Amino acid sequence: ETGVTQSPTHLIKTRGQQVTLRCSSQSGHNTVSWYQQALGQGPQFIFQYYREEENGRGNFPPRFSGLQFPNYSSELNVNALELDDSALYLCASSLGGWRSGAGELFFGEGSRLTVL
Amino acid sequence: KNEVEQSPQNLTAQEGEFITINCSYSVGISALHWLQQHPGGGIVSLFMLSSGKKKHGRLIATINIQEKHSSLHITASHPRDSAVYICAVITHQGAQKLVFGQGTRLTINP
Repeated sequence: ETGVTQSPTHLIKTRGQQVTLRCSSQSGHNTVSWYQQALGQGPQFIFQYYREEENGRGNFPPRFSGLQFPNYSSELNVNALELDDSALYLCASSLGGWRSGAGELFFGEGSRLTVL
Repeated sequence: KNEVEQSPQNLTAQEGEFITINCSYSVGISALHWLQQHPGGGIVSLFMLSSGKKKHGRLIATINIQEKHSSLHITASHPRDSAVYICAVITHQGAQKLVFGQGTRLTINP
């Protein structure tokens, strides 16, 4: 039990739709990061938020966007869904920005998105 | 060539054996993570290293910054250690990113 919760756990969308995934960080953690894991593949880093600002981004197009709220919870939004967006989306919280060297990662159980 | 390479990709061993998983990286980093992922998706952080060595129970992780190499060791392996072990580095060049290795699938047979 990491204290990081994600919702929804499973969802099905169709191509072209938009989706919002949510992540509640472990208490006191001010950094959240999001990952995409396609079936049978390793995780891919999407982006990181530190104190409500995007602080690093992987190789994902702009239709992947995020928000971090004052309580440090976070959303991942994906617009114009494509079939290849089908994956497990994981978030992780940590204490302190990565540049500080702090930050053991605490992962949620993920949201499994299927795009038809 | 991937920025983070793990070896071996698959490893099968008998219960009780000493296990070593290796991770090499080619970029400047501020920290390295070892993660464990069981079937079903849950990821657990095992270690975060920026230098030296850490030990937790039967797990030991080491990092050599000069050689850009880290190892994860499991002593007295047990079937419950069967999982995918993932090395991931936090890059410090430009905006920070977390770059993952491809993972090592470990199977411990009773």
